[in-house]
Amino acid sequence: EMELVESGGGLVQPGGSLRLSCAASGLTFDLYWMNWVRQAPGKGLEWVANIKHDGSEKYYVDSVKGRFTISRDNAKNSLYLQLISLRADDTAMYYCATTVGPDGFNIWGQGTMVTVSS
Amino acid sequence: DIQMAQSPSSLSASVGDRVTITCRASQSIITYLNWYQQKPGKAPNLLIFAASSLQSGVPSRFSGSGSGTDFTLTISSLQPEDFATYYCQQSYSFPYTFGQGTKLEI
Repeated sequence: EMELVESGGGLVQPGGSLRLSCAASGLTFDLYWMNWVRQAPGKGLEWVANIKHDGSEKYYVDSVKGRFTISRDNAKNSLYLQLISLRADDTAMYYCATTVGPDGFNIWGQGTMVTVSS
Repeated sequence: DIQMAQSPSSLSASVGDRVTITCRASQSIITYLNWYQQKPGKAPNLLIFAASSLQSGVPSRFSGSGSGTDFTLTISSLQPEDFATYYCQQSYSFPYTFGQGTKLEI
């Protein structure tokens, strides 16, 4: 069974940092683009970033450029998101997701919650 | 960036009803349009990809149509488990963007 499991969320003060992880199992990790999608409490979905299967291309939503860095370690079947200079509006559930098939995110993790508050 | 506008933002319906949700892109996305269902406290679940292809395991009462800028998700006969929030998403260009969601309520 294909599975993604996120970790690393928590409570952090404004201006602080966190590193989120996403561990993949049951899929050939190094074949797929990987994504981070977030959802603020009571709000809609926002795509945050993605990274090509070999790490050679990375894309970000404008609101996180220069503050978030996506990376991956294919030897460890793991995806990461480094968050710095965190703001209150970064408070959200962060999901990793991927496309195994023609299109659409068909594999999602359960999410990890990031709360930015003093 | 491509903006995705869903309508309505909320919808009241009954079991057995036929329901249609609309999604409009700010520019042509051909058929790079996906639909998701999300229930409270859960990750989204892919229903439809490439505008009209049914994801494996999704009931046939769900269908999608459209191309270019205008798309629809139709549920032919609502079941109790279909009451949820639905999102469209374009995968035509980065940054990928989602619609604001449609909450389907009893």
